[in-house]
Amino acid sequence: EIVLTQSPGTLSLSPGERATLSCRASQSVTSSYLAWYQQKTGQAPRLLIYGASSRATGIPDRFSGSGSGTDFTLTISRLEPEDSAVYYCQQYGNSPRTFGPGTKIDFK
Amino acid sequence: QVLLQESGPGLVKPSETLSLTCTVSGGPIINYYWSWIRQPPGKGLEWIGHIYYSGGTNYNPSLKSRVTVSVDTSKNQFSLKLTSVTAADTAIYYCARSYSVSYYSPFDYWGQGTLVTVSS
Repeated sequence: EIVLTQSPGTLSLSPGERATLSCRASQSVTSSYLAWYQQKTGQAPRLLIYGASSRATGIPDRFSGSGSGTDFTLTISRLEPEDSAVYYCQQYGNSPRTFGPGTKIDFK
Repeated sequence: QVLLQESGPGLVKPSETLSLTCTVSGGPIINYYWSWIRQPPGKGLEWIGHIYYSGGTNYNPSLKSRVTVSVDTSKNQFSLKLTSVTAADTAIYYCARSYSVSYYSPFDYWGQGTLVTVSS
């Protein structure tokens, strides 16, 4: 099983700032089959990024993903108030599919 | 717009079987993989398993001995059964669709989730 570790656990930032979230895998993620989700309180997760760097339909271009192998990054270039949420990475190249523990973004 | 809706009992007794159904509307059930994912209150996400529309399944080894996922294409539904439940199975249960027809695909459409509590 591929174990995903996310850091930091919590990011306290201000609107307009840049957020950098990290996801590290215990072994190489096959073909960069790595996704990022946003989950707001009381809602289901929402797919943001797939294939490590491709934005899902309707996702604003302030969200970008990068990385390969075992190290991946989600960057939010300019935080908007609605970006307050928990962000999860997930690998889907190996079974079982696994998720990271999440990074929470809240605003100062 | 594809919509997924979970249904089933919100309370299950310990040692009994948890049964949920996901109804898919606004799109076909064929050609996609359909997953169950759960999230204990205040915690992270755990993939339970998936089924292809034709019936092939893949389960998380941590739950494999207790899980069965089935599909009914005539009703555009798929279902989850989890046997011998304990309090550790208390969670919000989500159904979700694969983003593409590929086996290697993230989840793009999700149900709203249903809270299942295991308690006597």
